[in-house]
Amino acid sequence: DAMVIQNPRYQVTQFGKPVTLSCSQTLNHNVMYWYQQKSSQAPKLLFHYYDKDFNNEADTPDNFQSRRPNTSFCFLDIRSPGLGDAAMYLCATSRVGQTGEAFFGQGTRLTVV
Amino acid sequence: GESVGLHLPTLSVQEGDNSIINCAYSNSASDYFIWYKQESGKGPQFIIDIRSNMDKRQGQRVTVLLNKTVKHLSLQIAATQPGDSAVYFCAENTGGFKTIFGAGTRLFVKA
Repeated sequence: DAMVIQNPRYQVTQFGKPVTLSCSQTLNHNVMYWYQQKSSQAPKLLFHYYDKDFNNEADTPDNFQSRRPNTSFCFLDIRSPGLGDAAMYLCATSRVGQTGEAFFGQGTRLTVV
Repeated sequence: GESVGLHLPTLSVQEGDNSIINCAYSNSASDYFIWYKQESGKGPQFIIDIRSNMDKRQGQRVTVLLNKTVKHLSLQIAATQPGDSAVYFCAENTGGFKTIFGAGTRLFVKA
């Protein structure tokens, strides 16, 4: 039944060691998002793809990159994780024209040691 | 600047009572307002949305009210159940792809 699937659910990485988080969707939505959510805070949009068009938020650090090889998959790459990057990372999808209703995955909780 | 905020960080209600969660927003250009529910360890889940040309919308046990004059949004949950315990976020969308989340209200339901 899962429509937006994130892997892994928990990820531990070393300070400065590149890490990739994965997201896949079975909804065939053309918009995919990555959000960062720190403890007791609201999700913060990092970037989104509309089909293959990549849109970065102005305040997203260069340390965060994304790839979307096809409609179903999207990856979040953190090139050099710092302690401040420890958070829940949420992937979401939506249909064009219904951007208010986004479907979220379960998230990947990233720990940086 | 754009911002969406909530009046109360926590709300505690008795099971069976109605819950009202409030939210203030500042961007008068927002076209869409959305309520999400986030349970512990899970991603946010869409509850209900309302367009800026409406002032009320009802769903199953939930009602969203929008007052554009004072830039206020509320979520009413009827007959609150233990399964409603979660963090509730209001969010706004200006019609593009950017949805801005508010700070969240944690709802506790007492049995």
